[in-house]
Amino acid sequence: KAGVTQTPRYLIKTRGQQVTLSCSPISGHRSVSWYQQTPGQGLQFLFEYFSETQRNKGNFPGRFSGRQFSNSRSEMNVSTLELGDSALYLCASSWGGRGRFYTEAFFGQGTRLTVV
Amino acid sequence: AQKVTQAQTEISVVEKEDVTLDCVYETRDTTYYLFWYKQPPSGELVFLIRRNSFDEQNEISGRYSWNFQKSTSSFNFTITASQVVDSAVYFCALSVRSGGSARQLTFGSGTQLTVLP
Repeated sequence: KAGVTQTPRYLIKTRGQQVTLSCSPISGHRSVSWYQQTPGQGLQFLFEYFSETQRNKGNFPGRFSGRQFSNSRSEMNVSTLELGDSALYLCASSWGGRGRFYTEAFFGQGTRLTVV
Repeated sequence: AQKVTQAQTEISVVEKEDVTLDCVYETRDTTYYLFWYKQPPSGELVFLIRRNSFDEQNEISGRYSWNFQKSTSSFNFTITASQVVDSAVYFCALSVRSGGSARQLTFGSGTQLTVLP
């Protein structure tokens, strides 16, 4: 079974630009969550998508947005990049259905974004 | 709100020593889940274990074992006979069922484990 695939692995952008990151979950998984990892703030939850709908959102500004497609692939967009957005962005895949015993989240290798 | 504390920022041990990584959590929810993840230098978070709040049984998997104690809100992780390949950052995480999604993980700050040959 293929794991979680994130593309690209590395990105360098300039302040003020926007960026789109992609995540393909494990086949059959319908939930995709995004996390930001920085040395100062650690791992922080951005949002979760399930069946093309945002189900939960962390405490991040509106510049951070996402979407999910019918095949469960997800994209995350950051507009008007700031230096502080430099981070490792991790995507997590899980089955995600309600009423089902909780299933663990499997992570991709992440996209390392550098804003200069 | 949920909180996870990993007080040990860095630990260094010599190969074959046993090492315990501490994790203390806070939540008011009665149903919650605890996790341990390993992050090697490649960046991917590797799932190690999940524990449910209603199951306090300790677990052993090879050289790994986990001690879950609700009375002290702790979920500690022990590696027996450590190996160099165990060197990584280890994260403890918590999620709760309330609020609509059980998939929002609250992570601790991580413990960098270095196993020296």
